[in-house]
Amino acid sequence: KAGVTQTPRYLIKTRGQQVTLSCSPISGHRSVSWYQQTPGQGLQFLFEYFSETQRNKGNFPGRFSGRQFSNSRSEMNVSTLELGDSALYLCASSPSGRGHQDTQYFGPGTRLTVL
Amino acid sequence: GNSVTQMEGPVTLSEEAFLTINCTYTATGYPSLFWYVQYPGEGLQLLLKATKADDKGSNKGFEATYRKETTSFHLEKGSVQVSDSAVYFCALSVILTGGGNKLTFGTGTQLKVEL
Repeated sequence: KAGVTQTPRYLIKTRGQQVTLSCSPISGHRSVSWYQQTPGQGLQFLFEYFSETQRNKGNFPGRFSGRQFSNSRSEMNVSTLELGDSALYLCASSPSGRGHQDTQYFGPGTRLTVL
Repeated sequence: GNSVTQMEGPVTLSEEAFLTINCTYTATGYPSLFWYVQYPGEGLQLLLKATKADDKGSNKGFEATYRKETTSFHLEKGSVQVSDSAVYFCALSVILTGGGNKLTFGTGTQLKVEL
């Protein structure tokens, strides 16, 4: 099975712009989660989608949003970019996201740099 | 709240040395526990997991045992190789009120293995 794929791998934007990142989960996986990784804050949970619905959200401002399509592919959007949004954005998929035992498998990430 | 504490790095070892990376957690309820590994420029790869007390997860020579009494999940390997050089993350998974689950990560421990 192909793993989780994320596009693009690298992005450079300027402050105030917006950006959309894409994630394709492992075939058959219905839950997609997004995480932000920075040197200062480490790995932080952004949100999780299942069956095209956002089930859970972390403590991020409303500038961070996402959606999931009927084929389970997901996108996340960051509007009005700030310098502090520079990070590695990781997408993870799991079969159902039900139960704490459900394992999340990660993609390679999208490296976003905000200038 | 839920949290994971792991030993600070970097940890520098000689090839064939014994490895221990300490991890302790705080959680409400009964989480699953995971170790993920991140190589430079890549996403997170699942290394091993344990879903209940006294379970031992193992993979590629790495082992960790879920110790409920000490709330720990220490990672061990009997003989490390240069190729094991990476950053290792301990994480716990809990069910969220929305029905999904999310990972809470430790800060990561960088391991360098030298010849």
